[in-house]
Amino acid sequence: GQQVMQIPQYQHVQEGEDFTTYCNSSTTLSNIQWYKQRPGGHPVFLIQLVKSGEVKKQKRLTFQFGEAKKNSSLHITATQTTDVGTYFCAGVQLGSSNTGKLIFGQGTTLQVKP
Amino acid sequence: DTGVSQDPRHKITKRGQNVTFRCDPISEHNRLYWYRQTLGQGPEFLTYFQNEAQLEKSRLLSDRFSAERPKGSFSTLEIQRTEQGDSAMYLCASSSPAGTPTIQYFGAGTRLSVL
Repeated sequence: GQQVMQIPQYQHVQEGEDFTTYCNSSTTLSNIQWYKQRPGGHPVFLIQLVKSGEVKKQKRLTFQFGEAKKNSSLHITATQTTDVGTYFCAGVQLGSSNTGKLIFGQGTTLQVKP
Repeated sequence: DTGVSQDPRHKITKRGQNVTFRCDPISEHNRLYWYRQTLGQGPEFLTYFQNEAQLEKSRLLSDRFSAERPKGSFSTLEIQRTEQGDSAMYLCASSSPAGTPTIQYFGAGTRLSVL
């Protein structure tokens, strides 16, 4: 079945440093979504990427979707303590776009030292 | 608050007991999903409803699991004869097909502990 792999599993950074998490799917995706989950919380939608090679920015966050629509990345510039949490990518497989079923990566947990 | 409500937030039960969770989606959303999340992992898809019809079920959903959405509004997820391996966070999400692809909004989840 489809798998979505995400690396690294954990990342500890000093406040002000940059952070990147990478996501790879074993199959081509219809679209990919990114979620943030704070400790003890639930996944909160950040962004959705649909087009091949798409790049979207949200303030200090930059999201990319690969040309082959099988990989994606999230880059945070100048991390802040409020960025702490686990970041998940979640892909919708081609052929599942009618249901929208999400296949989640394992997540990258970000710790930021002040 | 996303507008998706789940009840209860926490459930502690003894092995072998039955449990039922409820999810109230955002009112205008006709798509409803159940996911299960264990510690250190991403959510795993369990099942999907469009209105009252259950259109997809994961192989993770054994015979002990059943989900319903009788009137196309709220949904229930029942686990019979619970096992310790069922301990997890059960998340509900809803979405509207107004645009394709659609965004899923998650509830706060029900954390199940099976003793």
